[in-house]
Amino acid sequence: GQQLNQSPQSMFIQEGEDVSMNCTSSSIFNTWLWYKQDPGEGPVLLIALYKAGELTSNGRLTAQFGITRKDSFLNISASIPSDVGIYFCAGQSLNAGNMLTFGGGTRLMVKP
Amino acid sequence: GAGVSQTPSNKVTEKGKYVELRCDPISGHTALYWYRQSLGQGPEFLIYFQGTGAADDSGLPNDRFFAVRPEGSVSTLKIQRTERGDSAVYLCASSLDSWNTEAFFGQGTRLTVV
Repeated sequence: GQQLNQSPQSMFIQEGEDVSMNCTSSSIFNTWLWYKQDPGEGPVLLIALYKAGELTSNGRLTAQFGITRKDSFLNISASIPSDVGIYFCAGQSLNAGNMLTFGGGTRLMVKP
Repeated sequence: GAGVSQTPSNKVTEKGKYVELRCDPISGHTALYWYRQSLGQGPEFLIYFQGTGAADDSGLPNDRFFAVRPEGSVSTLKIQRTERGDSAVYLCASSLDSWNTEAFFGQGTRLTVV
């Protein structure tokens, strides 16, 4: 089946630093989504991307849909302590209906 | 409601028992999804409903798992003869319709089979 490789698996950074994480796939996706999950909570949608090459921002977050349609990255600028959590990429492909395939997550820890 | 609501938030059951997990989607959302998340992993797709019908149940692991959505709103995930390997967080999500892939998740039900 489809797999998404998300990296890094974890990051421990200083408050104020920028963060970058990415997802790669062996197959093409037509939608990429980025979610954040806090402990004991469900994933919360951060950014949705629909077109190859698309670059979208949401506050300090910026995400891009790779031109090959097989990758996406998420950047967080000037990190703050509340950015702590697990970030997941998710992709949706035309031949898989409406199901989302999730990456393994990137655990972000921010040192004040 | 304002968001996707799942009950119970936690469920502990004995091996072999039957459990039901409930999901109340965002009002007006016609598409509903169930995912399962094991510790340290991303969510994995189980089943997708468009309205009352299961449009894709390819993620259900075996015939002990079944889900219904009789009136096109609330959905129930049913697990028969639970096994310890069924322990996980079961997440429900909804989206506006089948054309909209922006899925909004509930807080999940943590199922522990002992």
